Amino acid sequence: AQKVTQAQTEISVVEKEDVTLDCVYETRDTTYYLFWYKQPPSGELVFLIRRNSFDEQNEISGRYSWNFQKSTSSFNFTITASQVVDSAVYFCALSAYINTDKLIFGTGTRLQVFP
Amino acid sequence: DSGVTQTPKHLITATGQRVTLRCSPRSGDLSVYWYQQSLDQGLQFLIQYYNGEERAKGNILERFSAQQFPDLHSELNLSSLELGDSALYFCASSVTRGTGELFFGEGSRLTVL
Repeated sequence: AQKVTQAQTEISVVEKEDVTLDCVYETRDTTYYLFWYKQPPSGELVFLIRRNSFDEQNEISGRYSWNFQKSTSSFNFTITASQVVDSAVYFCALSAYINTDKLIFGTGTRLQVFP
Repeated sequence: DSGVTQTPKHLITATGQRVTLRCSPRSGDLSVYWYQQSLDQGLQFLIQYYNGEERAKGNILERFSAQQFPDLHSELNLSSLELGDSALYFCASSVTRGTGELFFGEGSRLTVL
């Protein structure tokens, strides 16, 4: 069975702090995709990144970076120099390689960045 | 703005009633997905349509049904509503199948009293 665990329910930081959101997944598939989505207060989910299981290279996009480690089944997300606008709920998700239409979401981590 | 439009944004109804949620995907997107977000179940995949045909099914109750019309808009019908159906229902779309990069609407918040 596929499962995504985000153990951190809520994280609070002060602006400019770095913060890492943890994601651990379970799957029997040898090939799969991992995702991060952001849900700001407005409610809609916003796609941030997709990573396939073949590619363990870390990715950086501005202040965002992602660390994928197959050995520990983790796909962690780090925000560097956090800003108030980063306050949102962040979801990690998993899908089978063949059918990436059906995303299995974690329970989300609420990040609050205070000025 | 994702380009995905959902109506209504809020809906309050009573147990036993039936409601219809509507979704207009981004222009050009052929795939439409429905997700339910509730406090106890989290974000759950309900169903997906691709160009008018059902493509994948998730944890969708028999009391719920959906369809995608020739103009690609989709409707999610919820009937015999129960208190536990209160949730935020999201529609998402993507241009093709199988990318996982979904564009979500702002959701329809359903409250069943």
